[in-house]
Amino acid sequence: AQKITQTQPGMFVQEKEAVTLDCTYDTSDQSYGLFWYKQPSSGEMIFLIYQGSYDEQNATEGRYSLNFQKARKSANLVISASQLGDSAMYFCAMREGGGNNRKLIWGLGTSLAVNP
Amino acid sequence: NAGVTQTPKFQVLKTGQSMTLQCAQDMNHEYMSWYRQDPGMGLRLIHYSVGAGITDQGEVPNGYNVSRSTTEDFPLRLLSAAPSQTSVYFCASSYSTWGTEAFFGQGTRLTVV
Repeated sequence: AQKITQTQPGMFVQEKEAVTLDCTYDTSDQSYGLFWYKQPSSGEMIFLIYQGSYDEQNATEGRYSLNFQKARKSANLVISASQLGDSAMYFCAMREGGGNNRKLIWGLGTSLAVNP
Repeated sequence: NAGVTQTPKFQVLKTGQSMTLQCAQDMNHEYMSWYRQDPGMGLRLIHYSVGAGITDQGEVPNGYNVSRSTTEDFPLRLLSAAPSQTSVYFCASSYSTWGTEAFFGQGTRLTVV
């Protein structure tokens, strides 16, 4: 079973509008972390935002916010006021457990296209 | 600039050839890892290291070797290249502190013919 599910292979949004990219996860650990990365067409992986399982507030980083619903095991990325430069692949990833585990489990990604 | 440096950026190999993908970071990160990215399959962990002298296998380790003799360097060796190893390879590093993000190299696009 997929541990990270991104159900939207592709999304379109109009410039300046907000868009939500879905991510659901599956873990039995109480301690875990959720990450979102952006991969533009140039190929590099860019860290966007992080949410820890014990964080009570939703994470925010500029125009990015993470809608964390623990009971539903969802960690959706919200991009406000979309820009043309937001067109990219977006990946959700999870790190389970504590201790020395630093392995990331990745979703298959969502391709976002921002239309002018 | 500080960060993760991967070389080469592009490489074409013949089946059976060996090569080493280089990865170096100057952030004193304890944790380093190698991923491969294939269309429709996301990123899959090949090998990782939690510190100098310590390495372990990830999800898809077959056909690859790693070593970590220094904190800075984490090379990935393809022993005998196969067409199934055609992929984009990413090296990443992070602090051991829980919750810190991974920094990625620019990627290596490898084609095995």
